[in-house]
Parts: sequence; structure tokens; C-alpha cells
Amino acid sequence: EAGVTQSPTHLIKTRGQQVTLRCSPISGHTSVYWYQQALGLGLQFLLWYDEGEERNRGNFPPRFSGRQFPNYSSELNVNALELEDSALYLCASSLLRLSHSYEQYFGPGTRLTVT
Amino acid sequence: EDKVVQSPLSLVVHEGDTVTLNCSYEVTNFRSLLWYKQEKKAPTFLFMLTSSGIEKKSGRLSSILDKKELFSILNITATQTGDSAVYLCAVEMYGGSQGNLIFGKGTKLSVKP
Repeated sequence: EAGVTQSPTHLIKTRGQQVTLRCSPISGHTSVYWYQQALGLGLQFLLWYDEGEERNRGNFPPRFSGRQFPNYSSELNVNALELEDSALYLCASSLLRLSHSYEQYFGPGTRLTVT
Repeated sequence: EDKVVQSPLSLVVHEGDTVTLNCSYEVTNFRSLLWYKQEKKAPTFLFMLTSSGIEKKSGRLSSILDKKELFSILNITATQTGDSAVYLCAVEMYGGSQGNLIFGKGTKLSVKP
């Protein structure tokens, strides 16, 4: 069974630019989550999508946004990049979790460097 | 404020040693606690714990949850160099924070040959 995939692997952008990161969940999983792992800060929750809807959002500014497509893949968009956006962006997927706890499985991440 | 605290932050042991990693939490509406192993990039799922006192085991790894004292431990017996990694503890909650895993900063384990 293929795991969560993310693209690109690495990305270098300049401050003020915009970036789009992509994620494909495990087959059969409908929920997709995005996390930011910045140096020294640990994993921070960004967004949760399920069935094409944004279900929850972490404490990040509106320039972090995303969407989920009918095939359950997802994009994370970051506008007006700032130096502190440099981080590893991890995507995870799980089965639908409204009434039951399901573990999240993570992809390999996208390393974003903002210069 | 919801938080997850792991200890120690780093640990160096020799092959064959047994280690215990700690995770304490203070959250509203606790739902589950999860352990992950992160070697390079992708955290790998280890355990999900929802009930107190029930040990989960997988090979040399085991974990247990105490919902009264709000902590969990991850034990690794007969450690091997391949166990070297950062071990992450995360807590999931019900309600408005549903779907959001709150992670601790991790314990970096180094196993020397």
C-alpha cells in the first residue's frame, strides 16, 4: 500500500513570493492534515481537510491556506512568504475521524527555504 | 493553554540498554495519545492509546497511558542502533480542537554500538 506522498521534496523561495505544496493521501483516507515543523518549535498544526471542506485550522495567519480536491489530494498555499516560514511542511492522512480516533500517517515532507 | 511535555529532551545509551521515554500532558477534552518515531523526515506511527492501564506492545517497544496522572511512557528494551531517532508524543482532543494533534518537542535518542 502506497503511503502519503508529497511534492516537491525541496523548495527555495524568496521573501514575498508565493508557494504551493502538494499532498496525496493513502488510498481510502479522506482526511488530510498539514503541519509545520520549524527548527526548535516542534510540529505545529496548520489545517485539516475532510471531504473537501476545511474542518479545523491552527493558529496561523490567513496567508496560509489550502484546499482538498475530489480525489482527496490537497494543496497548501503560502502567500507573501516570510523568512520564518522556512520549515519542513508535513502532510498526514487518516480515515474519517468524527466519531472514532484514527491515527494519522505522515508523508516525507517538503523542505521550504525562504531567503 | 494545552500542552504536551516530553522528557528527557535527549538521551544517549548503549546497545542492549532499556530506555523509558516520558510524556505528560495538560489538555482539555483528551481523546487519544499517540507516539511517533521520526528518523529523517516522516514521523512513523508507533502507538495510539485511549484507555488507561492497557499496555500496547510491538516487538521491543511498549507504551502505557495513565489518564489520572496525565502521562504516558514509551519503553524500548534491548535497544539497537536502528532505534536512534526522535520520538514524538502527540495528543488529540475532542471538540473545537478535533483533528489537531498537539505535539511535544520530542526526545532525541542516540544508541551507541
